Amino acid sequence: GQNIDQPTEMTATEGAIVQINCTYQTSGFNGLFWYQQHAGEAPTFLSYNVLDGLEEKGRFSSFLSRSKGYSYLLLKELQMKDSASYLCAATDSNYQLIWGAGTKLIIKP
Amino acid sequence: EADIYQTPRYLVIGTGKKITLECSQTMGHDKMYWYQQDPGMELHLIHYSYGVNSTEKGDLSSESTVSRIRTEHFPLTLESARPSHTSQYLCASSAGSDTGELFFGEGSRLTVL
Repeated sequence: GQNIDQPTEMTATEGAIVQINCTYQTSGFNGLFWYQQHAGEAPTFLSYNVLDGLEEKGRFSSFLSRSKGYSYLLLKELQMKDSASYLCAATDSNYQLIWGAGTKLIIKP
Repeated sequence: EADIYQTPRYLVIGTGKKITLECSQTMGHDKMYWYQQDPGMELHLIHYSYGVNSTEKGDLSSESTVSRIRTEHFPLTLESARPSHTSQYLCASSAGSDTGELFFGEGSRLTVL
């Protein structure tokens, strides 16, 4: 079957760094997305990885290892506004998105 | 900034009622999607469309229908609402590429009594 695993909840301190992990099992693989979703709002796009390695975009970076079926989202210099759920989604061989349940990130002062 | 709109934002209805959730986008995207999301759970694909007169069923499609008569419009209809339909419904669109990011509407929160 197809499956995405990510931690349910994480807590971090303002100004610190946090890494949110995601492992995936899909029928074929065509890339991995990370989305941010604030409570009561719609998801918004953060990053897309198709090749192995690290993609950096400001305070956010995303890493992919295709051989390990593993990705992580790295958030630096955490701000209170980063409190949100972070959704990992992998595209299968038919380019359909398989979604994780999301990681709720709580930022404390 | 995404230009995709959903109405109504909130709806409370009784069991057995027929409802239509509206979704419109002004970005000219060919691909549109309907997802269902419960709190703390993953998004489940209900229906999707790759263009006008094209509709496909997702994982949770059996109790709803969609139409795509115009590029910008992708309504979702529940013929007979049940309490199990209580959820958040998210509409999304993407450009032509298979790897294109999704742009989401703000959602329609449905409560069926």
